[in-house]
Amino acid sequence: DTGVSQDPRHKITKRGQNVTFRCDPISEHNRLYWYRQTLGQGPEFLTYFQNEAQLEKSRLLSDRFSAERPKGSFSTLEIQRTEQGDSAMYLCASSLRPGLGQETQYFGPGTRLLVL
Amino acid sequence: DAKTTQPPSMDCAEGRAANLPCNHSTISGNEYVYWYRQIHSQGPQYIIHGLKNNETNEMASLIITEDRKSSTLILPHATLRDTAVYYCIVRVYISGNTPLVFGKGTRLSVIA
Repeated sequence: DTGVSQDPRHKITKRGQNVTFRCDPISEHNRLYWYRQTLGQGPEFLTYFQNEAQLEKSRLLSDRFSAERPKGSFSTLEIQRTEQGDSAMYLCASSLRPGLGQETQYFGPGTRLLVL
Repeated sequence: DAKTTQPPSMDCAEGRAANLPCNHSTISGNEYVYWYRQIHSQGPQYIIHGLKNNETNEMASLIITEDRKSSTLILPHATLRDTAVYYCIVRVYISGNTPLVFGKGTRLSVIA
């Protein structure tokens, strides 16, 4: 399968623990996005990278959230000191920025986080 | 906030055309209309997008009104596998920041 992959698919943790999620984009896609989706809502944009540069991070929900893409390939999203309100689906998407015209984002299956 | 308005839910008989409406009355001249869908417990899936003209691909057709204030996604022969939440998104292309802003979408139920 050459689509976007995410690991783990499910994560259960206790409040106060740190968690890290991984996203592997489609090969050669230079843009990578993170979204969060809570029950009954559409996905909510968090941050995105172009290659290894993080171009937008003001939408990260708090300073407990951080993301990296050190070599411009896979990315990690870390949540420190998790809270019950962090329980959600975390989605990753990738795209190839075109020279002209529109880009299409392709989503992974998501990581479902449950904080007890 | 999302710039689109969609009905919360719709039903469609299997084999019939599903017509999903979307209102985007404040759309600007440089904003595109995108459609994604999300099948239960999966990530969103791109369907189609357009600016002014009607568009068709192997999945669906997109009809945009002449004033661009509304659009309709058409699934010509709905199957049970088309049961999903469908999101209509208005998106401006800016080279530096291009996130998708999702609303709550329309939950389409295809009934046998």
